[in-house]
Amino acid sequence: KQEVTQIPAALSVPEGENLVLNCSFTDSAIYNLQWFRQDPGKGLTSLLLIQSSQREQTSGRLNASLDKSSGRSTLYIAASQPGDSATYLCAPLNLGRAGTALIFGKGTTLSVSS
Amino acid sequence: DGGITQSPKYLFRKEGQNVTLSCEQNLNHDAMYWYRQDPGQGLRLIYYSQIVNDFQKGDIAEGYSVSREKKESFPLTVTSAQKNPTAFYLCASRNGVNTEAFFGQGTRLTVV
Repeated sequence: KQEVTQIPAALSVPEGENLVLNCSFTDSAIYNLQWFRQDPGKGLTSLLLIQSSQREQTSGRLNASLDKSSGRSTLYIAASQPGDSATYLCAPLNLGRAGTALIFGKGTTLSVSS
Repeated sequence: DGGITQSPKYLFRKEGQNVTLSCEQNLNHDAMYWYRQDPGQGLRLIYYSQIVNDFQKGDIAEGYSVSREKKESFPLTVTSAQKNPTAFYLCASRNGVNTEAFFGQGTRLTVV
């Protein structure tokens, strides 16, 4: 059964810092991995989808990398802003026992101070 | 606008009542999912449906039921058998394994 761990659980940084959020997963037979952000009391917003054949995917100040063989993904946020404050979740996709459902970790809660 | 609509945003249930959470999507997605989120925990899968008229139990299906009679709709019923239903419920959909999953804005259910 896929298990997802995100480290750190919480992170506080001053505005302007570059930062890295880590995601590890136990079953490396994934199709892809998706990163989301969640604001308090809201649904999940998709940030990036990185396919298993890709090493990196970029969107604006966000860069996600994937090392499938070692079961790790990182989300790099450049020049952080207060508006980046949210919980970030990673979710790998395995096919099998839960169809195409994503499995989630507990997330990293980011706070960026101005 | 294309997307996933969950309603209501807030829902209050009395002990022993069944309540139904609505999830509608106009993205023409085949697969739909229900998750439950509790404070300090990750999202846990309740039920999923890969196609119309078919659905499967997830990790925590006890006390819940679903139907998938139309492609765009996947309602979740929280029955009186669910002993601890207070949580944030999220609905999602996707179309194929190589595409993004999208989420609704959630329904917060509280037992009163």
